[in-house]
Amino acid sequence: GENVEQHPSTLSVQEGDSAVIKCTYSDSASNYFPWYKQELGKGPQLIIDIRSNVGEKKDQRIAVTLNKTAKHFSLHITETQPEDSAVYFCAASIWGSGNTPLVFGKGTRLSVIA
Amino acid sequence: GAVVSQHPSRVICKSGTSVKIECRSLDFQATTMFWYRQFPKQSLMLMATSNEGSKATYEQGVEKDKFLINHASLTLSTLTVTSAHPEDSSFYICSARPGGVNQPQHFGDGTRLSIL
Repeated sequence: GENVEQHPSTLSVQEGDSAVIKCTYSDSASNYFPWYKQELGKGPQLIIDIRSNVGEKKDQRIAVTLNKTAKHFSLHITETQPEDSAVYFCAASIWGSGNTPLVFGKGTRLSVIA
Repeated sequence: GAVVSQHPSRVICKSGTSVKIECRSLDFQATTMFWYRQFPKQSLMLMATSNEGSKATYEQGVEKDKFLINHASLTLSTLTVTSAHPEDSSFYICSARPGGVNQPQHFGDGTRLSIL
């Protein structure tokens, strides 16, 4: 089955700096890669996702890149703000006929220092 | 749009009690709902997948007689933790996926279950 590795487990950045979180996946059939933000005591919230037919997607300060060959995908947050502090999870699954459940990475605790 | 409501948000009860958690999709019909368990500072572990009108599919190691799942309508799934014990204490999170091709999963805000 799918295995998703996520690094780093914790990340501290100064406000205004960029943050990068990286994930790798094992199943070459996976074609859908969402990123979730989880604040304390809350459920995960989808912040951006990417499908395997594109290499990059951007939404304001957040961008995701995908390298299918290397089975890597990354989350980039620019101009970080204190409210970006949270735990971020990457995930992978197969979309199409027979959608599979999301398999999550272990999470990255991001702290943005004002 | 795509709001998933989970209730209750927190439960504290005695060992041996059965606890029911509800998961509702408020503004869409969810043909598939998922139940996850999350221990402190850990990732989400899938417990089971439920499809409306059929039996849930449980992940390996999850006791189906312990964690009863009912998905009776397109907007409601319930998880019942039967005869709960302290080791069942955890954060339980549901998610729902709208019908149609390639729809993302939307998560509820979770239920923190504490068994004394």
